[in-house]
Amino acid sequence: DTGVSQNPRHKITKRGQNVTFRCDPISEHNRLYWYRQTLGQGPEFLTYFQNEAQLEKSRLLSDRFSAERPKGSFSTLEIQRTEQGDSAMYLCASSLRAGGREDNEQFFGPGTRLTVL
Amino acid sequence: GQSLEQPSEVTAVEGAIVQINCTYQTSGFYGLSWYQQHDGGAPTFLSYNALDGLEETGRFSSFLSRSDSYGYLLLQELQMKDSASYFCAVMGYGQNFVFGPGTRLSVLP
Repeated sequence: DTGVSQNPRHKITKRGQNVTFRCDPISEHNRLYWYRQTLGQGPEFLTYFQNEAQLEKSRLLSDRFSAERPKGSFSTLEIQRTEQGDSAMYLCASSLRAGGREDNEQFFGPGTRLTVL
Repeated sequence: GQSLEQPSEVTAVEGAIVQINCTYQTSGFYGLSWYQQHDGGAPTFLSYNALDGLEETGRFSSFLSRSDSYGYLLLQELQMKDSASYFCAVMGYGQNFVFGPGTRLSVLP
């Protein structure tokens, strides 16, 4: 399977715990995006990377959230001191930055569903 | 910043044509994209308009008018499998994507 993969698919945690999610993008894609989606809403942009550089971060993202993409391959999203309001689907997407139409075609992974008790 | 508006729900019958509208307020963007998401699934890319006008991809077409801050997705020959949520999205000059709230399409037999 050469699509975007995310692990774990589901995570249940208690309030105050830290959680980390992993995303493996399509191998030749140099851009990687993280989104959060709640039921009945569109994906909400969190942050994105071009190769290993984090180029944009949503102003809505608190300092409890951090993301990395070492070596420009897989990425991790960590949430510290989780709150019940963090319960959502966390989606990862990748795309190829080539200066053309393909820049706008994102390929999404299946997501990680986080439940904070 | 950017904000997008879409109707929350649309219902149509199999074989019909349906149009899903998207209006936006943005300080600048590269183009308007459309994504489909089935319940429990991930969003999948459908179409992209960088310039004003109509883009056709099989049964799906998408339209953009920058002067009217408006776009739409047109689905023809509706099939039951088209029942899903549809999102418009813009890529801002900061290279971030902003998605609309989504339109839930129900296709009836």
